[in-house]
Amino acid sequence: DVKVTQSSRYLVKRTGEKVFLECVQDMDHENMFWYRQDPGLGLRLIYFSYDVKMKEKGDIPEGYSVSREKKERFSLILESASTNQTSMYLCASSLARGPYEQYFGPGTRLTVT
Amino acid sequence: GIQVEQSPPDLILQEGANSTLRCNFSDSVNNLQWFHQNPWGQLINLFYIPSGTKQNGRLSATTVATERYSLLYISSSQTTDSGVYFCAAAYGGSQGNLIFGKGTKLSVKP
Repeated sequence: DVKVTQSSRYLVKRTGEKVFLECVQDMDHENMFWYRQDPGLGLRLIYFSYDVKMKEKGDIPEGYSVSREKKERFSLILESASTNQTSMYLCASSLARGPYEQYFGPGTRLTVT
Repeated sequence: GIQVEQSPPDLILQEGANSTLRCNFSDSVNNLQWFHQNPWGQLINLFYIPSGTKQNGRLSATTVATERYSLLYISSSQTTDSGVYFCAAAYGGSQGNLIFGKGTKLSVKP
């Protein structure tokens, strides 16, 4: 079974703090993704990576950066957290580029006060 | 990019009833997935079904790619089926990136 884990289920941070969200997958997948989910807006892609040290912007990359130093780990970074980044963050992975099944982690509910 | 639309947005059922959830997409797809989001927020994979029909217990799904829709069938619904069901699709130019519908919120009453 594919397993995708995220470092925290719930996180509370203050405005202006630097925030790291970590995601790890154990199936040697090449592709990894970060989404955010907001009521009424659904799931939106922030960034994705199809290889170590590679990254591409998704639909809403503003205010975020990512890091992929190892194949199994994909980090989402909020350089200076703001209240409008309060959201549910979901990480996913898939085998490779192309039409492969995506598998999701349990999510991190981030609140920025 | 493609548009993905789900219907109905909300559905209330009595335990034991059957239901059909629909997903329409605006262009040809090479990936179509159905997910169930549990009350804790995790997306559980139900089906990977870019075309054809699959069954898994009380759940089944059919995608008619030429007519650009997919259906998720839930038979003999249980209270544990409650939650939000998402359809997500990818097209050839998207490098496998999924576009999600807004979901169908299902409530199964005992």
